[in-house]
Amino acid sequence: AQKVTQAQTEISVVEKEDVTLDCVYETRDTTYYLFWYKQPPSGELVFLIRRNSFDEQNEISGRYSWNFQKSTSSFNFTITASQVVDSAVYFCALSGNAGKSTFGDGTTLTVKP
Amino acid sequence: EAGVVQSPRYKIIEKKQPVAFWCNPISGHNTLYWYRQNLGQGPELLIRYENEEAVDDSQLPKDRFSAERLKGVDSTLKIQPAELGDSAVYLCASSFRPGLHDNEQFFGPGTRLTVL
Repeated sequence: AQKVTQAQTEISVVEKEDVTLDCVYETRDTTYYLFWYKQPPSGELVFLIRRNSFDEQNEISGRYSWNFQKSTSSFNFTITASQVVDSAVYFCALSGNAGKSTFGDGTTLTVKP
Repeated sequence: EAGVVQSPRYKIIEKKQPVAFWCNPISGHNTLYWYRQNLGQGPELLIRYENEEAVDDSQLPKDRFSAERLKGVDSTLKIQPAELGDSAVYLCASSFRPGLHDNEQFFGPGTRLTVL
């Protein structure tokens, strides 16, 4: 069985603060993929990033960065200099080698002006 | 390019009534997913299709839920009869999954079902 845990249910920050969203996963597969999705108030989930289990390189895309650590089964997401438009629910997801997708319960991020 | 299309966007029914949701994935995407998302939770996979074959329906409550993807393109998810606990948002997603590799999923806007 596979599992994704996002321990932070809600986070509130003030604009321009940095914020990190935590994601811890469990799987017995040796090959798997990790994802982050954003669900803005409008409701439609939007893909942010994909990582496969063999690529532990951290990635930076503008204000977004991701830290993948296989040793701790974590795939954390950091937003630098947060903006009001970053307010959304963020989901971490895992896809094993059988293609089954498991999502965490999400972290609601509120960025206040 | 058009995204994943779902209809209807909202549906209100009384318990024990049947209901159906329709999804048209992105053109060329061979994999189609149906998820249920309860309030405050992440999407929960109901069924996954690779072309017209249902390859994972282990989470589909088969006593009342059914799905089909006859020509490997659009898909319909049906509930009959609906129960109060079925109130949720039903999401459809699609992806291009070449072989064993997993690509990102593209989600539709969902259908919000309310069972009274």
